[in-house]
Amino acid sequence: LAKTTQPISMDSYEGQEVNITCSHNNIATNDYITWYQQFPSQGPRFIIQGYKTKVTNEVASLFIPADRKSSTLSLPRVSLSDTAVYYCLVGIDMDSNYQLIWGAGTKLIIKP
Amino acid sequence: DAMVIQNPRYQVTQFGKPVTLSCSQTLNHNVMYWYQQKSSQAPKLLFHYYDKDFNNEADTPDNFQSRRPNTSFCFLDIRSPGLGDAAMYLCATSRRGGRESDTQYFGPGTRLTVL
Repeated sequence: LAKTTQPISMDSYEGQEVNITCSHNNIATNDYITWYQQFPSQGPRFIIQGYKTKVTNEVASLFIPADRKSSTLSLPRVSLSDTAVYYCLVGIDMDSNYQLIWGAGTKLIIKP
Repeated sequence: DAMVIQNPRYQVTQFGKPVTLSCSQTLNHNVMYWYQQKSSQAPKLLFHYYDKDFNNEADTPDNFQSRRPNTSFCFLDIRSPGLGDAAMYLCATSRRGGRESDTQYFGPGTRLTVL
């Protein structure tokens, strides 16, 4: 059973809003949900982090439902430079064993 | 600017020839991580240091070792690289680590090629 699940790829167009969802059924009680962006041949870069409800910063919003079993990264008015791979990262409690788990990544392609 | 630096950016080694990758940080963070990332895959945690305490992931091969001589530097040693070890190696730091996901700051990575 996958510990986190996110779509493999998504396409969108410049100026649109893009929403990427990550499911994490076994998220640890006290853990945050973090999203990273990665461009080719670079290290991942922090985008946003949240614990519950909604968090917004200058580049994205993060929506987390009350049960915290999923989270949605929202990128408003995307541009070509938002083409990248987006990863969710959460702490998972499995059989009393805590692990930091990366999602498999969503490759986002923005078209003109 | 405070940052995470990895050297070299590109490393070529021969099958079985030991190689060392280095990472330094000016963030004064307690935790340093080493990840392996293969093409089209998520980063895979190899091990991390919380200060001087070494934490090895259960599935990290013995071929991979690490040293952290001080707060600023961390090294990844691959004792006998195989063709399957060709990958991007990422170093990251975080302030706290532990059970709560702490923001990780990544270096640019070292691309390792094994001939």
